[in-house]
Amino acid sequence: DIQMTQSPSSVSASVGDRVTITCRASQGISRWLAWYQQKPGKAPKLLIYAASSLQSGVPSRFSGSGSGTEFTLTISSLQPEDFATYYCQQVNSFPLTFGGGTKVEIK
Amino acid sequence: EVQLVESGGGLVQPGGSLQLSCAASGFTFSGSPMHWVRQASGKGLEWVGRIRSKANNYATEYAASVKGRFTISRDDSKNTAYLQMNSLKSEDTAVYYCTTVPSAIAAANWLDPWGQGTLVTVSS
Repeated sequence: DIQMTQSPSSVSASVGDRVTITCRASQGISRWLAWYQQKPGKAPKLLIYAASSLQSGVPSRFSGSGSGTEFTLTISSLQPEDFATYYCQQVNSFPLTFGGGTKVEIK
Repeated sequence: EVQLVESGGGLVQPGGSLQLSCAASGFTFSGSPMHWVRQASGKGLEWVGRIRSKANNYATEYAASVKGRFTISRDDSKNTAYLQMNSLKSEDTAVYYCTTVPSAIAAANWLDPWGQGTLVTVSS
């Protein structure tokens, strides 16, 4: 199975800050990576697919990059509605696996 | 609007069985793969399994933790997917989400949207 490791596990930031989250795969997955946002008590929402493609309706302050084993999700200017937990997911092979999550908290 | 609505969760004893349903609307259900993902309280996301469409022979894949105990099926006439859970263990306690792959970006198993989830509690 491909292991996905996210860092940091949590980050405290202020509105307007730039936030970067890293996701590492235990083996190369090309660009077969997605990012999801989950707010408390809600289902996850797809933000980014194919490592850097923005899902329809997602604000442009979200961006993704990387390939192979190292990926990043960047929020260019954090907004109040962005405080949530973010997960990466590899779709290169079954079983699909998720990172442990990164909680973005208010500073 | 694409909508997924799970039902069937509840309290079940260890060793028991439960069937979850996922009613879909707003997209071509019969042509879409359906996935189940679970999340224990305060924990991360765990993929459970997937069923493909009739055109792909209803092929299924499962996580090792549920293989042999859980079965995913679908009824395209009812636009509904199912998760049959047998031999339940306490570690199966979680919110169970059904989700699908957007037809516009169906090259891989990107999951969107998701249902609201249904809680399964395995306890005596």
